[in-house]
Amino acid sequence: DGGITQSPKYLFRKEGQNVTLSCEQNLNHDAMYWYRQDPGQGLRLIYYSQIVNDFQKGDIAEGYSVSREKKESFPLTVTSAQKNPTAFYLCATHSGNTIYFGEGSWLTVV
Amino acid sequence: EDQVTQSPEALRLQEGESSSLNCSYTVSGLRGLFWYRQDPGKGPEFLFTLYSAGEEKEKERLKATLTKKESFLHITAPKPEDSATYLCAVQANYKLSFGAGTTVTVRA
Repeated sequence: DGGITQSPKYLFRKEGQNVTLSCEQNLNHDAMYWYRQDPGQGLRLIYYSQIVNDFQKGDIAEGYSVSREKKESFPLTVTSAQKNPTAFYLCATHSGNTIYFGEGSWLTVV
Repeated sequence: EDQVTQSPEALRLQEGESSSLNCSYTVSGLRGLFWYRQDPGKGPEFLFTLYSAGEEKEKERLKATLTKKESFLHITAPKPEDSATYLCAVQANYKLSFGAGTTVTVRA
């Protein structure tokens, strides 16, 4: 079954902890993205990657880190430096004229 | 800086009552304008991509149009299942910038 898989769907983090959100795709797309969505706000770009071993900061990269060691995988680490990490995180891939999204991961700081 | 503004923020419609959503944008070098539908707690679902002024695309009760400064999503004779948040996004190079969305509620 082709698509984008994000895991976990729900994640609880204690303050001061780093957590990693997984994003895996089997669509063979080069470009991948991470967005954050807060209630009543649009999606905000955290990081994006056009090819393996290369990535760029988006509009709100502070407190986040990524890696792109494989074409299929683009994990996002939410570090303790991120002051307000509770949000809905969306991974996406881009090919041609369409951008596809995963089902998202909910992160809550407790 | 790329900017995308959607209006209204919320729209309540009676079933069968047609309406339009607006997406105005400023971007350097538009490569595409995208419309998505998002249901609560789900990832956005792709609807349309528009590339140039004058272009129109349709899907069931939805029709998207594009000018040089804005795009409209027309909902014709909506049904309750059309209730969702509709997101607009513009692409410049590899960066995709989103508006805050319009939440549409259709009452039976």
